Order: sequence, then C-alpha cells, then structure tokens
Amino acid sequence: DIVMTQTPLSLSVTLGQPASISCRSSQRLVYTDGNTYLSWFLQRPGQPPRLLIHKISNLFSGVPDRFSGSGAGTDFTLKISSVETEDVGVYYCMQATHFPYTFGQGTKLEIK
Amino acid sequence: EVQVVESGGSVVQPGRSLRLACSASGFNFGTYAMSWIRQAPGKGLEWLGFIRSKTWGETTEYAASVRGRFTVSRDDSKSLAFLEMNSLKTEDTGIYFCARYSGFGLIDYWGQGTLVTVSS
Repeated sequence: DIVMTQTPLSLSVTLGQPASISCRSSQRLVYTDGNTYLSWFLQRPGQPPRLLIHKISNLFSGVPDRFSGSGAGTDFTLKISSVETEDVGVYYCMQATHFPYTFGQGTKLEIK
Repeated sequence: EVQVVESGGSVVQPGRSLRLACSASGFNFGTYAMSWIRQAPGKGLEWLGFIRSKTWGETTEYAASVRGRFTVSRDDSKSLAFLEMNSLKTEDTGIYFCARYSGFGLIDYWGQGTLVTVSS
C-alpha cells in the first residue's frame, strides 16, 4: 500500500498568518491518464471530513480561495494564505491513484 | 441539497456481523459510486472501499484490512448503500462514514457517521 506521510503533525498558527502542510507519498501518484489524484480534507472538531481540494490543486465548490494546493510526483503541499478561526481542525491528504486509497495520518491545526 | 445519512451502528460482540446502511438524497444516486471510510477512536481516517454505479457494473474495491470480511452493496431503487461487516474484531471499533464518490479522489459529500463498537 502507498504510505502517505504528513508533516508537521501539529501546527499552531496566529490568526491572519499563513500555514503550510506537507504530504509525501511512498510512490509517485501519476495515474495512467496523466493526472495525479491527490486530495485534501479538513475535519473540524466533532464533524465529518469535508473535501477541500482534489487533483492536487482544484478547489472543491464552496471552499475559500485562501486554500491552495500544489505539488507533483510524490510531494504535495496545502497552503492557507491567512488562517481564520474556522480553519481549526485536522487536515488529511489522500491518494486516489492506486488501490487501496490511503490517507495521511493527519495534521492538527490550532490557533496560537 | 445533497444529504448522506448512515445508520445501523451498535455494540456487537467480536466474531459477529453487522450491516450498516447509508441513505442518500439530493442527487441522482444511481449514477454515483458510494464509499465507506472509518475512524477509530482518536485516530485518523481509513478508507474501506467503494461500489461503482450500475454503469460501471457495480464493481467494488476494498482495503486489504477488510477485504473478504466486509462487503459493500447498493439498492438504487431506494437510494441506499450498505456495508456488511462479518467476523468483526475489536479493532473494527470506530465511526463509519458513508460518502458520495464522484471518482478520482472526489469524496465530496459525507454523512455524519455511525458508531460501531465491537466489544464482549
């Protein structure tokens, strides 16, 4: 199975400051169609996860544009340009290129 | 409005079986895959598997940890998906989420989850 490794595991950020989370896969995530199926999810406390980004950098409907995704191959990054209170929670990356799909272990973001 | 609601979670003894249901509304259920993901207490997310739409033969994919024990099925006439879990183990304890799967990582609408506790 592909292992997804996120760093850091926890992040404390001042409101209005940027944040960045890294996700590294144990194998390249380029599918046979040339696309890379790497998604990001946010799970707020007591809530189910919600989709933020798919295919590395595509924002899902309704997701604020302070979120952005980048990367290629095995290294991917989620960035928040200016952290807001509602961004608190655990962020997960997930690869959907190879079966079985696998999630990173999660990165907990809190407000400093 | 897209809605996904899981049901069927309960306390069950090790070795027993349990079937979870997932009711969906607000979209054309029959044209989407449906997926299951779980979360052990205080832990991260674990993808379990999904069932494709009838167009794609209602074929399924599973994580190795549940393949052969868990089965995903669907009833398009009732907009329901199911997760049949057999030979349950204590490590299967957790919240089970059902979600619409639009393909290629787009797990786009999640239910609130249902709690399964495997304990003697």
